[in-house]
Amino acid sequence: EAQVTQNPRYLITVTGKKLTVTCSQNMNHEYMSWYRQDPGLGLRQIYYSMNVEATDKGDVPEGYKVSRKEKRNFPLILESPSPNQTSLYFCASSPTLELKQFFGPGTRLTVL
Amino acid sequence: AQSVSQHNHHVILSEAASLELGCNYSYGGTVNLFWYVQYPGQHLQLLLKYFSGDPLVKGIKGFEAEFIKSKFSFNLRKPSVQWSDTAEYFCAVRPTGGFKTIFGAGTRLFVKA
Repeated sequence: EAQVTQNPRYLITVTGKKLTVTCSQNMNHEYMSWYRQDPGLGLRQIYYSMNVEATDKGDVPEGYKVSRKEKRNFPLILESPSPNQTSLYFCASSPTLELKQFFGPGTRLTVL
Repeated sequence: AQSVSQHNHHVILSEAASLELGCNYSYGGTVNLFWYVQYPGQHLQLLLKYFSGDPLVKGIKGFEAEFIKSKFSFNLRKPSVQWSDTAEYFCAVRPTGGFKTIFGAGTRLFVKA
């Protein structure tokens, strides 16, 4: 089944403890992206990638890192999480710029 | 800087009422435009998109949107809503040729049965 998977789906952690949220797609898509969703703010793009080893900042990249070493995976890394990074995170992928993005199920992160 | 403004944060309608959700964007170049829907407990799904051509685009579930370039607007419409349209709706803008995407804050629609 074609899909975007994210792990973990739920995570509660403490300030400063490094964490990684994985994102994987099995559709051989070129484009991948990370968003965070906060009430009243909609979705904001954190980072995106247009191909392997090609990443760029979105609107809110501060406090996050990404890598794209292989086409299918696009992990989101929080080196030192802070409470303002408590949010719902979505990964998405797209085969081309013209076609729709496929969204993952979301990861709800709480940083205490 | 690019921005997307959705005029209404909350809309309440009765079934069979007509719907129009406003979306205005700020960007100096050409753009691609999207409307996504998020049903309760689910992730985002694409309703429709505009890249070029006819500015009136039709999407899934009876939704349509009209791109008015002079007004920098891309309003979403549906002639007759159903209870199952209860969801949050997001407008999004992407500069042509790029993948950086700006979303609006969303509009929560509640349809009374």
